[in-house]
Amino acid sequence: GENVEQHPSTLSVQEGDSAVIKCTYSDSASNYFPWYKQELGKRPQLIIDIRSNVGEKKDQRIAVTLNKTAKHFSLHITETQPEDSAVYFCAARDQGSKIIFGSGTRLSIRP
Amino acid sequence: DTGVSQNPRHKITKRGQNVTFRCDPISEHNRLYWYRQTLGQGPEFLTYFQNEAQLEKSRLLSDRFSAERPKGSFSTLEIQRTEQGDSAMYLCASSLGINTDTQYFGPGTRLTVL
Repeated sequence: GENVEQHPSTLSVQEGDSAVIKCTYSDSASNYFPWYKQELGKRPQLIIDIRSNVGEKKDQRIAVTLNKTAKHFSLHITETQPEDSAVYFCAARDQGSKIIFGSGTRLSIRP
Repeated sequence: DTGVSQNPRHKITKRGQNVTFRCDPISEHNRLYWYRQTLGQGPEFLTYFQNEAQLEKSRLLSDRFSAERPKGSFSTLEIQRTEQGDSAMYLCASSLGINTDTQYFGPGTRLTVL
């Protein structure tokens, strides 16, 4: 079955700098890759997603890139702000409809 | 509130007791998913429904766990003979269906087994 690896597990960046989180997946048939943000004590919330027929997608300060050949996908956050501090999860949908999550990256923004 | 709702939000039980959680998906969402999340980990898939049909169940899921969605609307997750290792946050999510992938999560039910 699908396996998603995510790194780093923790990331600290200066406010205003960029943050990059990377994930790999194992199932070449996976075709949908969402990213979720989870603040302490709250539910995961979708921030951006990408499908396998697209290489890159951008939404304001957030962008996601997908390399199907290498089975890599990454989240890029530019001009980071204090409210970006949270745990971020990448995920991949397998051939069915099951979504497998990575283990998360705790992002801290230093003032 | 038209989002996914879950009840109860917190449940404390003694080892060996049975517990049942409820999830109400977003109206007209055909798919409903159950996940378990432990501290510092991502949500772990448990099972999902397309309308009232349970289409997939995690191989890791003990037979003490059972889920139903009898009328294709709300769903219940029951854990029988709870163990301390069952302590976790149980999350429910829903999505419109096959051609719409976005899953919306509920607030979760935090289970503590003493």
